[in-house]
Amino acid sequence: TQLLEQSPQFLSIQEGENLTVYCNSSSVFSSLQWYRQEPGEGPVLLVTVVTGGEVKKLKRLTFQFGDARKDSSLHITAAQPGDTGLYLCAELQGGSEKLVFGKGTKLTVNP
Amino acid sequence: GAGVSQTPSNKVTEKGKYVELRCDPISGHTALYWYRQSLGQGPEFLIYFQGTGAADDSGLPNDRFFAVRPEGSVSTLKIQRTERGDSAVYLCASSLSPGGTQYFGPGTRLTVL
Repeated sequence: TQLLEQSPQFLSIQEGENLTVYCNSSSVFSSLQWYRQEPGEGPVLLVTVVTGGEVKKLKRLTFQFGDARKDSSLHITAAQPGDTGLYLCAELQGGSEKLVFGKGTKLTVNP
Repeated sequence: GAGVSQTPSNKVTEKGKYVELRCDPISGHTALYWYRQSLGQGPEFLIYFQGTGAADDSGLPNDRFFAVRPEGSVSTLKIQRTERGDSAVYLCASSLSPGGTQYFGPGTRLTVL
């Protein structure tokens, strides 16, 4: 099973700041999914990236997939308190329906 | 619209007891998944159902864990002889078809004293 490493583990910033979180693996991803999980809720899918070098934008969130498909980043511009949550990356394990998750980055945006 | 629902939202039990956790998937979704999320960790796959059958149960940690989905809709995760290490949030997800987006429920927080 591929190991997904996320960094940083924790991040606390002020409203209006920019931030980037990372997801890395020693193996090539077939595709990669990013989720946000709020306290007391299940993860919610934000985006799926498939092609090396791909960039996807979702309002203030920019997702990038590395050219070699071994890493991905999530950049948030002008963070807001509503962005607070646990950001998880995950891969659908090849040949199965099994999602493999990283440990996540816990983001706190202070007003 | 109705999402995935899970009951109970919280369950406290004593070591050695038996528990059942229920998942109601989104109507019409044929695929159903169970995951377990321990504190400070991402969700960990337990089992996947396609229709009524368990298509992949490779994530079940041992034979104390069992899950059913008798009519292809509601699923129940059953844990026998609970141990303190079973304490976690148990998440259920469903998707319209295999390979589709997985929609997660809010989870059941299980605490074994």
